[in-house]
Amino acid sequence: AQSVTQPDIHITVSEGASLELRCNYSYGATPYLFWYVQSPGQGLQLLLKYFSGDTLVQGIKGFEAEFKRSQSSFNLRKPSVHWSDAAEYFCSGSGGYQKVTFGIGTKLQVIP
Amino acid sequence: EAQVTQNPRYLITVTGKKLTVTCSQNMNHEYMSWYRQDPGLGLRQIYYSMNVEVTDKGDVPEGYKVSRKEKRNFPLILESPSPNQTSLYFCASSSFLRGAYEQYFGPGTRLTVT
Repeated sequence: AQSVTQPDIHITVSEGASLELRCNYSYGATPYLFWYVQSPGQGLQLLLKYFSGDTLVQGIKGFEAEFKRSQSSFNLRKPSVHWSDAAEYFCSGSGGYQKVTFGIGTKLQVIP
Repeated sequence: EAQVTQNPRYLITVTGKKLTVTCSQNMNHEYMSWYRQDPGLGLRQIYYSMNVEVTDKGDVPEGYKVSRKEKRNFPLILESPSPNQTSLYFCASSSFLRGAYEQYFGPGTRLTVT
């Protein structure tokens, strides 16, 4: 079955430290992959997307993600975290003209 | 302003009383979808629609109905709500873009069924 897995439910990092949020996918072919962010009480906002081509994609708010076919991963990274990055992050995948699957989310806490 | 709107934003109802949550988008998007968000389960897709009069089940369609009579609207209908449908609901829309769907989300509807 097509699925997206986020193995970390909760992550705490210090402000200014680097961040990596993990996402693994299981699809028959290369899926379309996305990262979204949800601030408390808000809807979801798209951070970045991968369709094909360059495996390192840049997004908004200084985030990037790298598609690694060999590891079935699409991890989200940021070199220096700001307190305003505290939120919940969702990885999502789609086979195209089909259903969209979300991971269960990773809650990011940023400490001073 | 490009947006997805949902109404109502908050709703408390009783078991068995039919309700409709409306969703509207002003971006002329073909694709629309409903999700429910529950703690520890992330977002799960309820129904989606690829265009007018074309709808299909997501992962958790039981207890829900949808219709897509106009491109901009995609209402979610709970004919006989039950307490296990208490959740946060999101509507989303997207245009066809290289075969994938980059979704714009509404603000959410928090539903409580007692």
